[in-house]
Amino acid sequence: SQTIHQWPATLVQPVGSPLSLECTVEGTSNPNLYWYRQAAGRGLQLLFYSVGIGQISSEVPQNLSASRPQDRQFILSSKKLLLSDSGFYLCAGTSDWALSELFFGEGSRLTVL
Amino acid sequence: AQTVTQSQPEMSVQEAETVTLSCTYDTSENNYYLFWYKQPPSRQMILVIRQEAYKQQNATENRFSVNFQKAAKSFSLKISDSQLGDTAMYFCAFAKTDSWGKFQFGAGTQVVVTP
Repeated sequence: SQTIHQWPATLVQPVGSPLSLECTVEGTSNPNLYWYRQAAGRGLQLLFYSVGIGQISSEVPQNLSASRPQDRQFILSSKKLLLSDSGFYLCAGTSDWALSELFFGEGSRLTVL
Repeated sequence: AQTVTQSQPEMSVQEAETVTLSCTYDTSENNYYLFWYKQPPSRQMILVIRQEAYKQQNATENRFSVNFQKAAKSFSLKISDSQLGDTAMYFCAFAKTDSWGKFQFGAGTQVVVTP
């Protein structure tokens, strides 16, 4: 079955510093990959999705960017973090066109100070 | 655009009892999927149950079952014989069949199971 790994698990960064969260996938090839953000008391907001290497679609305008340098690697980045970027970030993926399940990573807690 | 509404921020239930979580959604689509995900304190999101809109029969997974009312756009989750390990945040989610996995999630319902 598909497994998604994320790191780092927690991160505390000052405002204006760069960010790199990494997500890797095991157990499948050609997955669709997604970055979600979860704010306290709210649901998950889709930030980016990718259907293949180098293919990124953004769902909301923001200070973040995403890249997919390899089939099973998905990276969330920022050049200069804002306070509003704080939150819990989840990488997710599916390789099933029937959408039988969206697999999630363990999540990354980002605190911007 | 689709929206998913979970009107119960928190629910408490005693062990062995039953609890029902509500979820409503708004869509003009006819073909879609509905999901319930569980997020325990470890924060790992886990699929609980899945329902295809074209199926009239309600999905069931062990102690978890849904009441899918397509006309009413309602998708409630029933947890029977609640266990302490069921304590978690539960999210209802919606996805169109051609949405490339772009799920729409509700705000979540925190379920607390007490001894």
